Amino acid sequence: TQLLEQSPQFLSIQEGENLTVYCNSSSVFSSLQWYRQEPGEGPVLLVTVVTGGEVKKLKRLTFQFGDARKDSSLHITAAQPGDTGLYLCAGASGSSNTGKLIFGQGTTLQVKP
Amino acid sequence: DTGVSQDPRHKITKRGQNVTFRCDPISEHNRLYWYRQTLGQGPEFLTYFQNEAQLEKSRLLSDRFSAERPKGSFSTLEIQRTEQGDSAMYLCASSQNSLGANVLTFGAGSRLTVL
Repeated sequence: TQLLEQSPQFLSIQEGENLTVYCNSSSVFSSLQWYRQEPGEGPVLLVTVVTGGEVKKLKRLTFQFGDARKDSSLHITAAQPGDTGLYLCAGASGSSNTGKLIFGQGTTLQVKP
Repeated sequence: DTGVSQDPRHKITKRGQNVTFRCDPISEHNRLYWYRQTLGQGPEFLTYFQNEAQLEKSRLLSDRFSAERPKGSFSTLEIQRTEQGDSAMYLCASSQNSLGANVLTFGAGSRLTVL
């Protein structure tokens, strides 16, 4: 069974601080995605990484896919209160292109003004 | 098109009752997915359709659960004889093969509370 473990599960920081969220697995994924979810809403896709070692930037967010395609990280620079939410990583297994994703349990981020 | 729509957004029911959720995907998307999310966890895959064909069902989907997509457009998820353990957010998502089947657009979800 493929699993994705995220750490930390909870993070409470002050505005302006930097943070990193990790997503780890013992399994290889053909692609990995990061979503952000606000209370009472569905997840919203932030980025998809496909190639081992790939780095993508989205404003203050930097996403990296591990060389072996088993892990990923999300780094936020100078966090703002608007970054508050649940961050989820999700992997597509093997050669799967079915949209069947395996999600991590999520990291709840709170950014205090 | 305003995205993936789900109805109702909230449902409170008593144990043993049947409930049905509806999902309207993005119109040009041919794939539709149902996921379930419990508090403090990430979503778990339940089932998915390509057009009207249900191609895969998770072991999480017990016999009390049934999903349909009769005309390849909207979908319904019915839970019969609800149990307290069914309390969760039921998320629908859709995607288009040509854009990458793994690029999912989620709806806002239907939250079920079973008393």
